[in-house]
Amino acid sequence: RKEVEQDPGPFNVPEGATVAFNCTYSNSASQSFFWYRQDCRKEPKLLMSVYSSGNEDGRFTAQLNRASQYISLLIRDSKLSDSATYLCVVSRGGSARQLTFGSGTQLTVLP
Amino acid sequence: NAGVTQTPKFQVLKTGQSMTLQCAQDMNHNSMYWYRQDPGMGLRLIYYSASEGTTDKGEVPNGYNVSRLNKREFSLRLESAAPSQTSVYFCASTYPGQGNQPQHFGDGTRLSIL
Repeated sequence: RKEVEQDPGPFNVPEGATVAFNCTYSNSASQSFFWYRQDCRKEPKLLMSVYSSGNEDGRFTAQLNRASQYISLLIRDSKLSDSATYLCVVSRGGSARQLTFGSGTQLTVLP
Repeated sequence: NAGVTQTPKFQVLKTGQSMTLQCAQDMNHNSMYWYRQDPGMGLRLIYYSASEGTTDKGEVPNGYNVSRLNKREFSLRLESAAPSQTSVYFCASTYPGQGNQPQHFGDGTRLSIL
């Protein structure tokens, strides 16, 4: 079983739709959680951290469920510019060696 | 506003050739990283350098060496390239205290080994 698993998609949604991605992690000792965005053939960029109480950044909402060991990303009112691959990232501690990237979920927002 | 700069952007090598991927950051970050990204897989850490003068192996270090030349520069060397090393390579950097998760990535080096 992969340490961090994501549904690869692709998710194809119309503009304005709400879409949600889940990410599961296997190590219960994981401490920190993040969502990154990666555009086609580009570098990953940090989208947002995920806090225990859940957090929002504009149209994006991230949630953490420690009991079930998953994090989620909700995108409201999807824009064409949201089309990208979304990477779930889990950290087991303070060392870079303890950071694990998911393989990503591909989103295409259609006009 | 260069951020993290990687060179070259593209490279084709023959099996057995050697090459060095260069990375430099101008943000005064302490920690730097080298990752590879393969289709269907997440980014995997090859080596990292928590601070100038130190380097440590990541998840997939075999076949690679690194040098933290100074605070700005962190290079990755393939001594004898193999087809399995065909990948996209990303360099990244961060301040310590940000959970050691890379905040800034270079735009990648696409490497093909024939």
